[in-house]
Amino acid sequence: AQSVTQPDIHITVSEGASLELRCNYSYGATPYLFWYVQSPGQGLQLLLKYFSGDTLVQGIKGFEAEFKRSQSSFNLRKPSVHWSDAAEYFCAVGGVGTDKLIFGTGTRLQVFP
Amino acid sequence: KAGVTQTPRYLIKTRGQQVTLSCSPISGHRSVSWYQQTPGQGLQFLFEYFSETQRNKGNFPGRFSGRQFSNSRSEMNVSTLELGDSALYLCASSPAVSSYNEQFFGPGTRLTVL
Repeated sequence: AQSVTQPDIHITVSEGASLELRCNYSYGATPYLFWYVQSPGQGLQLLLKYFSGDTLVQGIKGFEAEFKRSQSSFNLRKPSVHWSDAAEYFCAVGGVGTDKLIFGTGTRLQVFP
Repeated sequence: KAGVTQTPRYLIKTRGQQVTLSCSPISGHRSVSWYQQTPGQGLQFLFEYFSETQRNKGNFPGRFSGRQFSNSRSEMNVSTLELGDSALYLCASSPAVSSYNEQFFGPGTRLTVL
């Protein structure tokens, strides 16, 4: 069965600093990987997704993620964080042959001015 | 295209009551999934409906049920409410089955059980 681990529950960064949110997955075949963001009181919005091809994926709001099969990771990065990036971030894994998308427990990002 | 809509946005109920939540997916989307989100448990999968059939179900008691109509709109029902059912209930739609398609989420229904 597939699973997702987001090791960091809470991360605090200064505005303008770089960001990396970690995501490790377990899945027997080629995974379909997603990063979602949730602002307070709102639903989840897709930031980016990886299905196949180039392992470096560009998303919205200046985010990118890199799929590393050897490390079973799909870490989310942003070179310069803005105060509006403060939110909760969820990694998810699925794939052909699975019965549902599995979400990680989320990482809450706090941004200081 | 209009996004996923959920009604109502907020609900307050008392223990023992039942509640029905509604979700209208994006036009053309055939899959609707439901999730329960709480601070302690995170995002928990409830069930997914695809073309009016329940495709799979999460690990929740039988008090949680759902259905999907021919226009893909979905409802979720919780009977005999318990305090622990207080949560944000999120609905998500996708063009096809959710396990390998992007899901589009609604804003959620905040349920408070007193």
